[in-house]
Amino acid sequence: KQEVTQIPAALSVPEGENLVLNCSFTDSAIYNLQWFRQDPGKGLTSLLLIQSSQREQTSGRLNASLDKSSGRSTLYIAASQPGDSATYLCAGVSRRSQGNLIFGKGTKLSVKP
Amino acid sequence: KAGVTQTPRYLIKTRGQQVTLSCSPISGHRSVSWYQQTPGQGLQFLFEYFSETQRNKGNFPGRFSGRQFSNSRSEMNVSTLELGDSALYLCASSPRTGSDEQFFGPGTRLTVL
Repeated sequence: KQEVTQIPAALSVPEGENLVLNCSFTDSAIYNLQWFRQDPGKGLTSLLLIQSSQREQTSGRLNASLDKSSGRSTLYIAASQPGDSATYLCAGVSRRSQGNLIFGKGTKLSVKP
Repeated sequence: KAGVTQTPRYLIKTRGQQVTLSCSPISGHRSVSWYQQTPGQGLQFLFEYFSETQRNKGNFPGRFSGRQFSNSRSEMNVSTLELGDSALYLCASSPRTGSDEQFFGPGTRLTVL
């Protein structure tokens, strides 16, 4: 069974700091990995999608990488801002998940001004 | 392009009742997936529909069902509601399959009393 683990569960940083969120998965046959952001009581906003042929994706201050051999993905946020405060979720797709997303429990990020 | 919409946004029901939730995908998207989010279990996959056919189903009891219409809009139904069904129900759409990038709606918050 595919499992996705996110560490840390919660993180508090001062504004301006660069930070890394970690995601690990048990199924090395993962072929897509997607990072989302969720604000309290809201739906999920897609941040980055790394497809099977890719190793990383960048969007603005965000960079996500995928290392299938080690079963890990990282989300790097540069120059964090209070508006980045949210829960960040990673989700993987593999043949075992039959093409559907398996989610981690998320990392709750708080950026202090 | 309009995003994924879900109605209603909030629902309060009592045990034993049934409920129907609706999801309209992004225009042109043919795959609709449903997820349940609870504090304890996180996000769990319910089912996926493509071209009016259920393509995958998660590990939920038969009280949870869904359907998709020819315009790709989807509904999910929960019968004989239980207290444990209280959750945020999220719908996601993607162009073809669940392994494409998925875009989520704002969710329907269901409270069962």
